[in-house]
Amino acid sequence: EIVLTQSPATLSLSPGERATLSCRASESIGHHLAWYQKKPGQAPRLLMYAVSRRAAGIAARFSGSGTETHFTLTISSLEPEDFALYYCQQRKDWPLSFGGGTEVEI
Amino acid sequence: EVQLVESGGGLVQPGGSLRLACAASGFTFDIYTMHWVRQAPGKGLEWVATFSAAGGSTYYGDSVKGRFTISRDTSKSTLYLQMNSLRAEDAALYYCVKDLSGGDNYFDFWGQGTLVTVSS
Repeated sequence: EIVLTQSPATLSLSPGERATLSCRASESIGHHLAWYQKKPGQAPRLLMYAVSRRAAGIAARFSGSGTETHFTLTISSLEPEDFALYYCQQRKDWPLSFGGGTEVEI
Repeated sequence: EVQLVESGGGLVQPGGSLRLACAASGFTFDIYTMHWVRQAPGKGLEWVATFSAAGGSTYYGDSVKGRFTISRDTSKSTLYLQMNSLRAEDAALYYCVKDLSGGDNYFDFWGQGTLVTVSS
């Protein structure tokens, strides 16, 4: 089973700042990684897939990078609506798996 | 407009059964892989099961394998999750999720979820 480890658990930033979220895989997953945003009371939303491809309607301030075992989600300049939980997910192998999440808080 | 509407959640005793349903609309249901993902209270996201549009293969997380069954009825554009031998740790909000495409295994569109509570 592929384990994804996200860090930090919590990121405390202010609007306008840059956010850098990390996701490490226990083994190589190539580029088979996605990122999701989750807000309280809302369903998760797909942000990025295949590491660096933005999903439909996702703002350009979101970007993804990395390969093999180390991946990064970057939010170039935080907007108030970006404060949320973020999860990475791998689709390289079954079982599909998520990381434990990073909370971006004000 | 894509819509996924889950139903069937509720309170069940340990060892009991529930069948969740997900009514899909706004897309060609039979060509998309579909998933169930859950989130227990205060916990992260956990993939539960997948129904592959390509050939109808099914896949399960280790924690539910042998107890849960995913299926679909294309005539009704409905995805199901039959949950047997329920345990306290199965209590969660269960999301029905549409794949990004036929079999990308990325979770593109999520329903609002149906809550399952397992308690005596």
